[in-house]
Amino acid sequence: GQNIDQPTEMTATEGAIVQINCTYQTSGFNGLFWYQQHAGEAPTFLSYNVLDGLEEKGRFSSFLSRSKGYSYLLLKELQMKDSASYLCAVDSNDYKLSFGAGTTVTVRA
Amino acid sequence: EPEVTQTPSHQVTQMGQEVILRCVPISNHLYFYWYRQILGQKVEFLVSFYNNEISEKSEIFDDQFSVERPDGSNFTLKIRSTKLEDSAMYFCASSSPQGAYGYTFGSGTRLTVV
Repeated sequence: GQNIDQPTEMTATEGAIVQINCTYQTSGFNGLFWYQQHAGEAPTFLSYNVLDGLEEKGRFSSFLSRSKGYSYLLLKELQMKDSASYLCAVDSNDYKLSFGAGTTVTVRA
Repeated sequence: EPEVTQTPSHQVTQMGQEVILRCVPISNHLYFYWYRQILGQKVEFLVSFYNNEISEKSEIFDDQFSVERPDGSNFTLKIRSTKLEDSAMYFCASSSPQGAYGYTFGSGTRLTVV
């Protein structure tokens, strides 16, 4: 089976940086995704890593280490609208995404 | 930006009834998926569909469920004889090619079984 772990909750102050870690053990690997999900809404795509290293996209960056089964999502210059759940998901090369339980990030003024 | 469209946005049904959830994937995508998310829980894979047949299905996707692509644009999930525990948010997604450019999710159908 697939096992994807991420912290349940994180709290940070507006303007700060938060790093959300994700570890995974899957039967195959075709890439790792990070999604943002606001309550009652669909997941929206943030980033995709398939090779080791850092991918930067504006205020959001994502890192992958395939040998360690590890990724993180870095959110910089936090804004109140960044309060949401962040989902780590692995494409295990069998036509599906396996999701972690999500990390709820609360941004405080 | 292309979107995956789902209808209805909310559906309330009585236990034992059949429901059909509808999705219009992005037009040039080739892979289609259904996921569900029970309130407060993680997003769970149900089924993937490619070339007019099921590619992969989870253990959740039992004989109660079926999928169909009745025409060139729609992709449907049918749930027969709904149960209380089928209450969840159901998300349709599409991608092309598989995974490399991301999966686009629809806005979901909130199904409530009473």
